[in-house]
Amino acid sequence: EAQVTQNPRYLITVTGKKLTVTCSQNMNHEYMSWYRQDPGLGLRQIYYSMNVEVTDKGDVPEGYKVSRKEKRNFPLILESPSPNQTSLYFCAASTAGTEAFFGQGTRLTVV
Amino acid sequence: KQEVTQIPAALSVPEGENLVLNCSFTDSAIYNLQWFRQDPGKGLTSLLLIQSSQREQTSGRLNASLDKSSGRSTLYIAASQPGDSATYLCAVDNYGQNFVFGPGTRLSVLP
Repeated sequence: EAQVTQNPRYLITVTGKKLTVTCSQNMNHEYMSWYRQDPGLGLRQIYYSMNVEVTDKGDVPEGYKVSRKEKRNFPLILESPSPNQTSLYFCAASTAGTEAFFGQGTRLTVV
Repeated sequence: KQEVTQIPAALSVPEGENLVLNCSFTDSAIYNLQWFRQDPGKGLTSLLLIQSSQREQTSGRLNASLDKSSGRSTLYIAASQPGDSATYLCAVDNYGQNFVFGPGTRLSVLP
């Protein structure tokens, strides 16, 4: 079964404490991306990756880092989280011309 | 820059009605368009994918059409059921897997 797995599902952290949200896919898809979803703003792309070691900024990359060392994994790193990064985060995987699969989401609260 | 809008923002209908959700996009140079369903606080479930060369796709009671030249897509839901209550999102795939999402239509189907 096609799956995108994010961990953790819920996270409460304090301002400035580095954290990583993991994303893993089992479909061998080239493309992976991260989105955040906020009330009234919808889903916005943070970063995307077109293949291993190839990443690029989306619409709202400030305050985030990503890496793509392996095809299946695409972690999202918040080096110094701030309260304005409180949001619902989604990871997605896809390949050219096919549907995108999304993870179940990570609800992050930064206090 | 690609912009996606959806009309209506919210819709409430009695069970059994047929309904149409609308999606518009500003740049017709898209790779494909995808409709998703999102339940409150949950991830995104892919409903239908329409390639840029296609006019429509059907899955069960759902039918999605695409008119790339006019920048429009519609999602038709036949014989609506309370279980269809959710937020419906359309997303256009600009080349490079940069999905741009609409704000969604929140659907309530009343028993």
